[in-house]
Amino acid sequence: ETGVTQTPRHLVMGMTNKKSLKCEQHLGHNAMYWYKQSAKKPLELMFVYSLEERVENNSVPSRFSPECPNSSHLFLHLHTLQPEDSALYLCASSQDRGGLDEQFFGPGTRLTVL
Amino acid sequence: QKEVEQNSGPLSVPEGAIASLNCTYSDRGSQSFFWYRQYSGKSPELIMSIYSNGDKEDGRFTAQLNKASQYVSLLIRDSQPSDSATYLCAVNGGAGSYQLTFGKGTKLSVIP
Repeated sequence: ETGVTQTPRHLVMGMTNKKSLKCEQHLGHNAMYWYKQSAKKPLELMFVYSLEERVENNSVPSRFSPECPNSSHLFLHLHTLQPEDSALYLCASSQDRGGLDEQFFGPGTRLTVL
Repeated sequence: QKEVEQNSGPLSVPEGAIASLNCTYSDRGSQSFFWYRQYSGKSPELIMSIYSNGDKEDGRFTAQLNKASQYVSLLIRDSQPSDSATYLCAVNGGAGSYQLTFGKGTKLSVIP
């Protein structure tokens, strides 16, 4: 256990559904991240929050909407997704030294879009 | 575009041998370098970080960094079947950047 938890662990949704992924870190870190991992592709950074403020947004489609209410919690709201959005979605956290820190990952949410 | 290149493998080594994993990166401004291990169906697990040129040892693992050659490697001594996994190299985008660029990973198989 890395101290980063994610729920749900598995999610199947239709293209018209709205769902949310939740991440919580118990490490006292100040930065939190969302990554997407698709088969045969490297991990892709989606969003970064530092002290609840979004600091990176890597051209992610608007059907993915992040929310960071405090430094321990991070959400990814999903709506009108496409089948190609099926992937493993990983949350990570770090101490926050301008991005130089080690990042620790949660177990991930395996998302399937039908 | 910042790139991190790894040989996808699979790399097969016999139990007890040294496994050598290599990674090159394109951004000369990178300042921090990480190796993650990912078992099939699991999330990445941090095993080593390195920030300065040279070697850093932690148990059976040694990370090596050469910034002039833009090269980072991971050596695993006395390889065990439990080391069989995909190893991801990750490189930070420099001071002030939160961007961590990952390679596609090298799949290691340790044969008993």
